[in-house]
Amino acid sequence: AQSVTQLGSHVSVSEGALVLLRCNYSSSVPPYLFWYVQYPNQGLQLLLKYTSAATLVKGINGFEAEFKKSETSFHLTKPSAHMSDAAEYFCAVTPYNFNKFYFGSGTKLNVKP
Amino acid sequence: DVKVTQSSRYLVKRTGEKVFLECVQDMDHENMFWYRQDPGLGLRLIYFSYDVKMKEKGDIPEGYSVSREKKERFSLILESASTNQTSMYLCASNSPGSRTGSYEQYFGPGTRLTVT
Repeated sequence: AQSVTQLGSHVSVSEGALVLLRCNYSSSVPPYLFWYVQYPNQGLQLLLKYTSAATLVKGINGFEAEFKKSETSFHLTKPSAHMSDAAEYFCAVTPYNFNKFYFGSGTKLNVKP
Repeated sequence: DVKVTQSSRYLVKRTGEKVFLECVQDMDHENMFWYRQDPGLGLRLIYFSYDVKMKEKGDIPEGYSVSREKKERFSLILESASTNQTSMYLCASNSPGSRTGSYEQYFGPGTRLTVT
């Protein structure tokens, strides 16, 4: 069975500080992993994805994530937060058939000036 | 660019009304999905369709039905709306057999439904 846990429903950082959003997954098969961002009253937009190639994945807007099989983690990071990064972030996992996606409950990122 | 559109951004309906939410995608994707999003609960799958006229129940199908008569269009139907169906509804699509390796879901902007 597949599931996703996002630690911390709310994370607050200062502008310019490191952003770290945590995602742990469980999967009975090799997973494909995704991070999405949602701005207020909008749909979800893909930030980055891991599909069994490089374990360090770079995405849009300066975000990256590292797949760590031993820790069953796929944490999202950004070296320096910007005010425009304030949004809700979702981690998702899918088994290899890409027919069903399992989402975490989301983490709201607040960026303080 | 892939585009997924939803028929309404905001909708207000009365209890007991029949409600139709429509979703259209323009990338010839085989799969289409309907989710509802509630604070603290993330996205919960209502129904999934992998082909025209084909559907599978998701995690919370009760009180909902779906229709997919054409590949590009996937409709969510609330047969008799209730207040506990007040939520944000998100449509998504993807192509599981993508030749470009682009398997991710593409989302519409969402419909915020209020049932009074």
